[in-house]
Amino acid sequence: AQSVTQLDSQVPVFEEAPVELRCNYSSSVSVYLFWYVQYPNQGLQLLLKYLSGSTLVKGINGFEAEFNKSQTSFHLRKPSVHISDTAEYFCAADFGSRLTFGEGTQLTVNP
Amino acid sequence: EAGVAQSPRYKIIEKRQSVAFWCNPISGHATLYWYQQILGQGPKLLIQFQNNGVVDDSQLPKDRFSAERLKGVDSTLKIQPAKLEDSAVYLCASRTVRDTIYFGEGSWLTVV
Repeated sequence: AQSVTQLDSQVPVFEEAPVELRCNYSSSVSVYLFWYVQYPNQGLQLLLKYLSGSTLVKGINGFEAEFNKSQTSFHLRKPSVHISDTAEYFCAADFGSRLTFGEGTQLTVNP
Repeated sequence: EAGVAQSPRYKIIEKRQSVAFWCNPISGHATLYWYQQILGQGPKLLIQFQNNGVVDDSQLPKDRFSAERLKGVDSTLKIQPAKLEDSAVYLCASRTVRDTIYFGEGSWLTVV
C-alpha cells in the first residue's frame, strides 16, 4: 500500500539549533515528494519538492530535504531554526494519482 | 497570479444543518481537489476532479457529502446533514500538471 509516515508528531527545539523532521514513504512506483508548512489558522504552503534529479533539494526559509530511495525517506532539515519556524509540517507524496499526506509534525522553537 | 480562492473562511452550524463551500482554482488548472483536515491530522482527499469529471471520490462520504464542478472551473462542496465529526478544515487545491499542488486558505467548519 502507498503511504507516508512522519516519525515524530512533535519536535521541540531551541532557537538557533539544527532540526530534522523525518518522513518515510511506501511505494512500488516512482513518486514525487513534497514538504508543506502550515501556520496557525492558515492553509498549506509549499516548502520544497523533489521531482527528479539531484537528491538534495533546497526550499524556502532555509529548509532543505534529501531524497533517499534506498531508505524510502525524505527528511527535512534546517541548520538553525528561528522562533518563526514554529508551525505544523506535512510530508506528502504523489504516487501518480493523488497527493497523500503524513499526519504532520509540530515543530516548536523555544527561546 | 491569483491563488486558489475559497469561501467562506469560517462557518459554524448546528448538527443536521447543511453547508456549502466554494472554490475557485488557479486559472488554467484542470485538476481540482477537495481535502478534509481534522484538527491534529494530515489532510485527507475527499474528491478529485479533472476538468468537470470526477477522477477519484472513493473517500467521499456520499450519504452526506456531494461536490460538483459543472463548468470545469469553480467547484462547490456540500455537506447535508452535517455531523459533529465533520468539524474540520476543508481545503481546496488545484494543479495543471503532475508537479505542484497549490492550496487555498481553507474553509473552517465547526459543527455544534
